[in-house]
Amino acid sequence: DTAVSQTPKYLVTQMGNDKSIKCEQNLGHDTMYWYKQDSKKFLKIMFSYNNKELIINETVPNRFSPKSPDKAHLNLHINSLELGDSAVYFCASSQTRNEQFFGPGTRLTVL
Amino acid sequence: SQQGEEDPQALSIQEGENATMNCSYKTSINNLQWYRQNSGRGLVHLILIRSNEREKHSGRLRVTLDTSKKSSSLLITASRAADTASYFCATDSPGNTPLVFGKGTRLSVIA
Repeated sequence: DTAVSQTPKYLVTQMGNDKSIKCEQNLGHDTMYWYKQDSKKFLKIMFSYNNKELIINETVPNRFSPKSPDKAHLNLHINSLELGDSAVYFCASSQTRNEQFFGPGTRLTVL
Repeated sequence: SQQGEEDPQALSIQEGENATMNCSYKTSINNLQWYRQNSGRGLVHLILIRSNEREKHSGRLRVTLDTSKKSSSLLITASRAADTASYFCATDSPGNTPLVFGKGTRLSVIA
């Protein structure tokens, strides 16, 4: 059973398009996160939700909008995609601050 | 803001040798965590060391923490080809702050 799953695994799209990435966790965790990993492998937090409520929103353009329909899901919608959005996006979840569980990542390529 | 800085950026060793990676950080922490990322995969939690601990072991992993120097090291003993991956430190600081990851060390273990 996959603990944290993301779809799609790969996403190739044109500049200006709108796309969504979905994340689901079956661990029963209260907190979920979105991270962006750039080409140099630097991993940066974007958003964090606790029980469907936004608790961390780092400096991310308004074009990025997370949505948590329930505790087990945290989706990421991106409007008007730009070249600089190309990266690998990771979803993660945790119950405590002691360990995070990561999904397999979604590699987004904007052409 | 970026917290952890690993060094070296890349490390190549022979199977059976020990691998040591270092992490330095800037502010006070609750704990420091080490994660492994295999190529094309999400991060996997390896070990956590609390700010009041100096050393911790888990199988072939040994982590040390020196809060006076704001640094940590991860030692992998008797390395195997399967240990080839990127290793990241992540710091958990007081308050409602997100986990902050370093840039990682790319370890290559040659059989």
